[in-house]
Amino acid sequence: TQLLEQSPQFLSIQEGENLTVYCNSSSVFSSLQWYRQEPGEGPVLLVTVVTGGEVKKLKRLTFQFGDARKDSSLHITAAQPGDTGLYLCAGLAYSGAGSYQLTFGKGTKLSVIP
Amino acid sequence: EAQVTQNPRYLITVTGKKLTVTCSQNMNHEYMSWYRQDPGLGLRQIYYSMNVEVTDKGDVPEGYKVSRKEKRNFPLILESPSPNQTSLYFCASRSTYRGRNQPQHFGDGTRLSIL
Repeated sequence: TQLLEQSPQFLSIQEGENLTVYCNSSSVFSSLQWYRQEPGEGPVLLVTVVTGGEVKKLKRLTFQFGDARKDSSLHITAAQPGDTGLYLCAGLAYSGAGSYQLTFGKGTKLSVIP
Repeated sequence: EAQVTQNPRYLITVTGKKLTVTCSQNMNHEYMSWYRQDPGLGLRQIYYSMNVEVTDKGDVPEGYKVSRKEKRNFPLILESPSPNQTSLYFCASRSTYRGRNQPQHFGDGTRLSIL
């Protein structure tokens, strides 16, 4: 079973600050997905990165996939209270018999204080 | 609207009383999965199904059963619930027909308390 280590586990920052969340593994993934989960709801996909070194931007969010496809980062610029939530990374890897499985990190709980 | 629907959203029950959490998706997805989410442990996969009549154990299958008789439904069965199964449960589905990097769609969760 692949393991994904997310850090930090908790993050509390002031509105307007920048932050980076990390997702690391010793395993290689076919792709990596980032989800955001709000209280009372299921996770919702933000982005999928597929190619080593790939960078994707979603407004103030920048996602990067490591060159070796073992790690990823999420950078938020000028955080806003609406960014508050649980951020989850998930790595997709081949598990045999034509099946690909998603392994989730434990998540980073972000609180942005107005 | 494309969605994954779980029922019930909340359930409080007692040890040993069989229960079923239903999950239905309207996106014609081949793959469906159940997770439990616990503080400090993250999302852990219980069971998954690649298609109708094909199910497999995830990381924490003990004490759970599933079935996939129809493509849209994937119920989670707790034959004899115990307090350590108190958790927040999520059903999810994704397409495998369009390639492996498809997003996983989650239901809104079922909060289960076993007394």
